[in-house]
Amino acid sequence: DAGITQSPRYKITETGRQVTLMCHQTWSHSYMFWYRQDLGHGLRLIYYSAAADITDKGEVPDGYVVSRSKTENFPLTLESATRSQTSVYFCASSMASGGATGANVLTFGAGSRLTVL
Amino acid sequence: QKEVEQNSGPLSVPEGAIASLNCTYSDRVSQSFFWYRQYSGKSPELIMSIYSNGDKEDGRFTAQLNKASQYVSLLIRDSQPSDSATYLCAVAPWGRGGSYIPTFGRGTSLIVHP
Repeated sequence: DAGITQSPRYKITETGRQVTLMCHQTWSHSYMFWYRQDLGHGLRLIYYSAAADITDKGEVPDGYVVSRSKTENFPLTLESATRSQTSVYFCASSMASGGATGANVLTFGAGSRLTVL
Repeated sequence: QKEVEQNSGPLSVPEGAIASLNCTYSDRVSQSFFWYRQYSGKSPELIMSIYSNGDKEDGRFTAQLNKASQYVSLLIRDSQPSDSATYLCAVAPWGRGGSYIPTFGRGTSLIVHP
């Protein structure tokens, strides 16, 4: 099906383990984003990507790694998970940057709920 | 740091009333403004986008933008219980290529009671 999909939807892991959250979009959107959402903090940007092989840090990048070898995929890796990384993670994409045509509207995936014990 | 401020609420309104949600932002060069609705346990979905000063209407929703005051609002007319959700304000700079970063407020919780 077309759209933006995240996997896994739910994940429980232990402190120190590596975890990878997957994000796949079928629109060939240039921009992709990872946000985390926590009570009291709203949506905070972790990393974003303007195109394949181009990534940049957001507001809260520490402890996370991203890659984008293909336009449609933007995985997020927690190299050594900590309890403070327990959160709901949202992947999003947009057609382009800026403009007043709606090309910069974000469309979100369903989210991945991660619990680090 | 670019900031987007919203009253966390909850804002409680009776069914059929007008709900008014407000958002202020700090980055004067911001040019794209969005309202997203998020139901509990779900992902945000776009309600309105607005790019120029004034009002933009879509059905029961009206977005209002005042760049001089750095203020954007969302009005929901004839509020329904199904409008009960968290409303997120997002602000983004104008087409700066790789520097495009949408920033979200913390959201306002709206409760529409019958």
